[in-house]
Amino acid sequence: AQSVTQLGSHVSVSEGALVLLRCNYSSSVPPYLFWYVQYPNQGLQLLLKYTTGATLVKGINGFEAEFKKSETSFHLTKPSAHMSDAAEYFCAVVGGGGADGLTFGKGTHLIIQP
Amino acid sequence: GAVVSQHPSRVICKSGTSVKIECRSLDFQATTMFWYRQFPKKSLMLMATSNEGSKATYEQGVEKDKFLINHASLTLSTLTVTSAHPEDSSFYICSAKEASNYGYTFGSGTRLTVV
Repeated sequence: AQSVTQLGSHVSVSEGALVLLRCNYSSSVPPYLFWYVQYPNQGLQLLLKYTTGATLVKGINGFEAEFKKSETSFHLTKPSAHMSDAAEYFCAVVGGGGADGLTFGKGTHLIIQP
Repeated sequence: GAVVSQHPSRVICKSGTSVKIECRSLDFQATTMFWYRQFPKKSLMLMATSNEGSKATYEQGVEKDKFLINHASLTLSTLTVTSAHPEDSSFYICSAKEASNYGYTFGSGTRLTVV
C-alpha cells in the first residue's frame, strides 16, 4: 500500500521568504505524486504533479517540487512567499486505497507573516 | 483546462432525509470518478471509486447503503446520502480522472449540514 507523510501540520514563513513544505511517500511501485492547494471551503487545485521524466517539476504560482527516489521525498518549494499563498497544502500519491484513487497526506497549513 | 462542477455547494437537511450531490465533468469524459470526505481541519478520505456503467467500489468502513453512488454517464456521478444523521455532516468533494493521463480534477466541494 502507498502512503504519504507530510512533516509539519503548520508552517509559518515571512512574506518574501522561501517556502518549503515536506512530503515523503511510501510506495512499492514507481509513484505518481501530486501537490494540491486548498483554500477555505473550496475544492482542491492542482499545483503540480510528477508522473515520469524530469524529476524537477514546475507548477503554477511559482511552485516547484523535486522527486528524489533515494530519499522517497517530493518536497514543495517556492523561492518567495506571497500573502496569497496562505492555504492548506496536500501531498498525494496514487494508490493505497481505491485502485486509482489518490491517497493524501494530512496536509500542511501555510501561514504567511507580513 | 479540465473543469469539474459540483452541486450544491452547501446544503442543510433534516435528520432522516436524503441528499443528492452531483458531480459533472464539463469538458472531458471521466471514466472514473472519486468521492472524498473531509472532516474539519483534516485531510481527505477516499470514500468510493465509481466507474461509468458499473457498481462503485467502496473503501473499507464506508457504508454502501448509506452513501449511494451512481455513475450513469461519462460526465456525471452522483452521491446520495440516505437517511442522513448529524454525524454525516461534513465536506464532500468529488474528483474526476481523465482517461488519457493522470489528471485528477476536483469539484469545489459540498458542505453538508444535517440538523
